[in-house]
Amino acid sequence: AQSVTQPDIHITVSEGASLELRCNYSYGATPYLFWYVQSPGQGLQLLLKYFSGDTLVQGIKGFEAEFKRSQSSFNLRKPSVHWSDAAEYFCAVGDAGNNRKLIWGLGTSLAVNP
Amino acid sequence: DAMVIQNPRYQVTQFGKPVTLSCSQTLNHNVMYWYQQKSSQAPKLLFHYYDKDFNNEADTPDNFQSRRPNTSFCFLDIRSPGLGDAAMYLCATSSRPGQGRDEAFFGQGTRLTVV
Repeated sequence: AQSVTQPDIHITVSEGASLELRCNYSYGATPYLFWYVQSPGQGLQLLLKYFSGDTLVQGIKGFEAEFKRSQSSFNLRKPSVHWSDAAEYFCAVGDAGNNRKLIWGLGTSLAVNP
Repeated sequence: DAMVIQNPRYQVTQFGKPVTLSCSQTLNHNVMYWYQQKSSQAPKLLFHYYDKDFNNEADTPDNFQSRRPNTSFCFLDIRSPGLGDAAMYLCATSSRPGQGRDEAFFGQGTRLTVV
């Protein structure tokens, strides 16, 4: 069955430090991959998505993610974290076998130390 | 400008008392979704409308119903809220069915408390 794993439940980084949030998926075909961010008490906002083509995807707010088929990964990165990046981050895959229903990871909570 | 608007942001209801949450959109999207998100969990899809066609998830309790009177509005009705229904309820839209095909636009959510 298709699944998404975010191995890190919670991460703390210092402001200005680099960030990498991990996402691994289990999926038979080429996946549609997404990263969403959820600030406290807010809805979700799309950071970036991968459908095909260049495996390094640029998103909003200075985020990028790299699709690595060999590792079944779609890790999210940012070179320098800002305090406003503190939020919950969700990785998701679109299930082509189920009309592209989104399968969500459980999320990674990011805290940023000043 | 807000594109998916949920009202109210916070709702307190009594155990067993029907409650309605509302969602409106200015994107003219064909598809509207309702998610339930409990604390520290991923969003869970309850159902969605593709135009007027209602699509219920297999594991959505009968206690949850939805109405979509027109393209812009969609309502979530909880007929008899239980304590376990306390959660954040998120509305989202997309231009085509299948949330994993296009970007889904989310509202800010309604935090439901059941007392």
